[in-house]
Amino acid sequence: DSGVTQTPKHLITATGQRVTLRCSPRSGDLSVYWYQQSLDQGLQFLIHYYNGEERAKGNILERFSAQQFPDLHSELNLSSLELGDSALYFCASSDNRGEAFFGQGTRLTVV
Amino acid sequence: AQSVTQLGSHVSVSEGALVLLRCNYSSSVPPYLFWYVQYPNQGLQLLLKYTSAATLVKGINGFEAEFKKSETSFHLTKPSAHMSDAAEYFCAVSGSHLSDYKLSFGAGTTVTVRA
Repeated sequence: DSGVTQTPKHLITATGQRVTLRCSPRSGDLSVYWYQQSLDQGLQFLIHYYNGEERAKGNILERFSAQQFPDLHSELNLSSLELGDSALYFCASSDNRGEAFFGQGTRLTVV
Repeated sequence: AQSVTQLGSHVSVSEGALVLLRCNYSSSVPPYLFWYVQYPNQGLQLLLKYTSAATLVKGINGFEAEFKKSETSFHLTKPSAHMSDAAEYFCAVSGSHLSDYKLSFGAGTTVTVRA
């Protein structure tokens, strides 16, 4: 158990819909990262938050957004969903030493 | 910017044989390097990490990796494969400062272990 909790584990939704993925980091970790894993793109970094502030953006679509709340949990919002957004979405948290601990992921299926 | 290339998308080994997974990196700054393992329908588990200390890094489950700056490599080895080592393995690189800790992953190598 990495200590990082992601909910829900599975999500099935229709095209055009909006979903919210939630992540609770390890106790004490201030950094939260979101990654997308798909068959065609592999594992890709989406966005990094540190203590409530956005620190870095990767290959994140404009339809996607994230935030980190004062209690340090984070949410990834995906809107106007397309079939190609179907993927496994991982959250990871880290302390200041750079070692990332991953949650079990949320498997999103867009139908 | 950082990137890694994993050589070989599939590796098949016999139980008890050497496991060797190859990873080459590219980085414009001193890198941190990682190997992660992913079992089916699971998250990513850290096997080992290089963070600029010893160049030979020992990890969990008998795995180790050696950082070779001259070859820009960070290959993963295990002397004797076990059936439980069947999984997908990812090499990853990041920068060495808080603002640059995001991971760039390789495409992954799937390991199968033959009895």
